[in-house]
Amino acid sequence: GENVEQHPSTLSVQEGDSAVIKCTYSDSASNYFPWYKQELGKRPQLIIDIRSNVGEKKDQRIAVTLNKTAKHFSLHITETQPEDSAVYFCAASGNSGNTPLVFGKGTRLSVIA
Amino acid sequence: KAGVTQTPRYLIKTRGQQVTLSCSPISGHRSVSWYQQTPGQGLQFLFEYFSETQRNKGNFPGRFSGRQFSNSRSEMNVSTLELGDSALYLCASSLGLAGYEQYFGPGTRLTVT
Repeated sequence: GENVEQHPSTLSVQEGDSAVIKCTYSDSASNYFPWYKQELGKRPQLIIDIRSNVGEKKDQRIAVTLNKTAKHFSLHITETQPEDSAVYFCAASGNSGNTPLVFGKGTRLSVIA
Repeated sequence: KAGVTQTPRYLIKTRGQQVTLSCSPISGHRSVSWYQQTPGQGLQFLFEYFSETQRNKGNFPGRFSGRQFSNSRSEMNVSTLELGDSALYLCASSLGLAGYEQYFGPGTRLTVT
């Protein structure tokens, strides 16, 4: 089955700097890659997703890139702000409808003011 | 549109007891997935239901079961509770399968003593 690895497990950046979180997946059939943000004590929130027919997607200060050949995808947050501090999870799933989302173990991002 | 809701929000049970958790998806969503979240293991997939049928199942013992009703509401049951079952149980709903655009509920915090 699918296996998703996420790095780093913790990340500290200064406010205004960029943050990058990387994930690799094992199943070449996977074609949907969402990212979730979970603030302390709250539910995971879908912040951006990408499908395999697209190499990059942006939404304001966040962007996701996908390299299907290398089987890895990354989340980029620019101009970080203290409210970006949270745990971020990447995930991957296939296209058959019979493969559920498999999550990485999360990255705790701390933005230092 | 109302979000995903879960009841109860908190539960304390004793080893050996059983528990039933409930999840109401976003209106119109037919897929409900359940996850167990623990600090060490991240988000682990339990099962997914679509149109009252279990479509996917994770690697959990048979003590964990679920069902989905005709209105898409879902319940999960854990029998013969163990201390290790203490976790946050999250459900998520989506229009279709494979975790596409999945939205999470607030979770049920289960503590087993």
